[in-house]
Formats: sequence, C-alpha cells, structure tokens
Amino acid sequence: GENVEQHPSTLSVQEGDSAVIKCTYSDSASNYFPWYKQELGKGPQLIIDIRSNVGEKKDQRIAVTLNKTAKHFSLHITETQPEDSAVYFCAASITGSARQLTFGSGTQLTVLP
Amino acid sequence: SQTIHQWPATLVQPVGSPLSLECTVEGTSNPNLYWYRQAAGRGLQLLFYSVGIGQISSEVPQNLSASRPQDRQFILSSKKLLLSDSGFYLCAWSATTGFGYTFGSGTRLTVV
Repeated sequence: GENVEQHPSTLSVQEGDSAVIKCTYSDSASNYFPWYKQELGKGPQLIIDIRSNVGEKKDQRIAVTLNKTAKHFSLHITETQPEDSAVYFCAASITGSARQLTFGSGTQLTVLP
Repeated sequence: SQTIHQWPATLVQPVGSPLSLECTVEGTSNPNLYWYRQAAGRGLQLLFYSVGIGQISSEVPQNLSASRPQDRQFILSSKKLLLSDSGFYLCAWSATTGFGYTFGSGTRLTVV
C-alpha cells in the first residue's frame, strides 16, 4: 500500500519568514495530494491540494509543489503569521472508488512573534 | 453546501461501558464515509470506511465496529470500551466523483 513520509516533525520559524514542509510518497499511482491544517482540539481543515497533472499551485501565501518523478511534494507558507501555528498533514490518494487518503505523520509548525 | 456533523464533542466513559458516536452529512448523496482515530501525538489512523449503506470496510482489528444504517449516517460503536480506546475520533466524508476529504469537528473520548 501507499506510504507517506513527512518532514520535519516540528518546525519553528520567526513571524514573516517562510516555512517549508516536505512529503514523499511510495505509490506512483497516487494522483491527488491534499494538505490539511489542524488547530488544537479541532478536525483537520483542507488548505490546498494538487493533482498529478499540475506541478505547482498557489493560493495567496500558500503554495504546493509536486515532483512526480521523485515522488515528493511540498507545502510552502510565505510571510508566516502566528495564526499559521498548527499541525499540518500531507496526504496522498490512491485512485479508487473509496478515495482513501494516506496521511503523513504531521508537522507541528510554530510561528514565533 | 455540504456539512458534516459529529457528536458528542467530548465523552468520558468507564472501562467496559458501550460506545456510540454518530456522524451525519448534509447536502450530498452517496458520500464515502470514514472514521479515523488520532491518539496521543498527531497521526491519523483510518479505522473504517464505507462506500454505501451497509458496506463497511475495516482497516485495523480492534474493539470497535462501524455501521451505516442510512446513506448519510455513520456510527462508530463498541460493546465494551478499553482504556486503549481513548483518543480523538474524527469522521470524514468524500464525494465518490470528487477528491479530498472533509472532516468533522471530532470527539474527544476518554476511557477511565
């Protein structure tokens, strides 16, 4: 089955700096890669996603890049703000009717004021 | 628009007691439904998923069971809770023709 590895497990940045979280996946059949943000005590919220026919996608301060050949994708957050502090999960989807997502282990991002 | 409801938000149950967590989705039909558990730390463990009424697939052997009595209702149950069942339980749905999951707000279960 699919295996998704996520690094780093914790990341601290100064407010205004950029943050990068990286994930690798094992199954070349995966074609959908969402990113989720989870605040303390809440369910994960989808913040951005990318499909395998696209190499990069941007939404304001958030961007995701995908390298299908190397089987890795990354989340980039620019101009970080304290409210960006949360746990971030990457995921990969193997095609199929159940659309099961395999999640990375999460990254605790702390933005220091 | 689609919404997902999950309740209760928190629950404290004694060891050996039964469990029933409910999840409902509004604004869509024939969704795929999922139950995840998030134990101490951050990992999301898929417990069950369902592609239709009465169709349940289990990902890991455990003390829990799931049922889907209606198209947009997903229930997580246990006959006798164990201490190890404590955790944060999340329901999620996805469209069969779309991508991505939408998660509920979660249930914090503490077994004492």
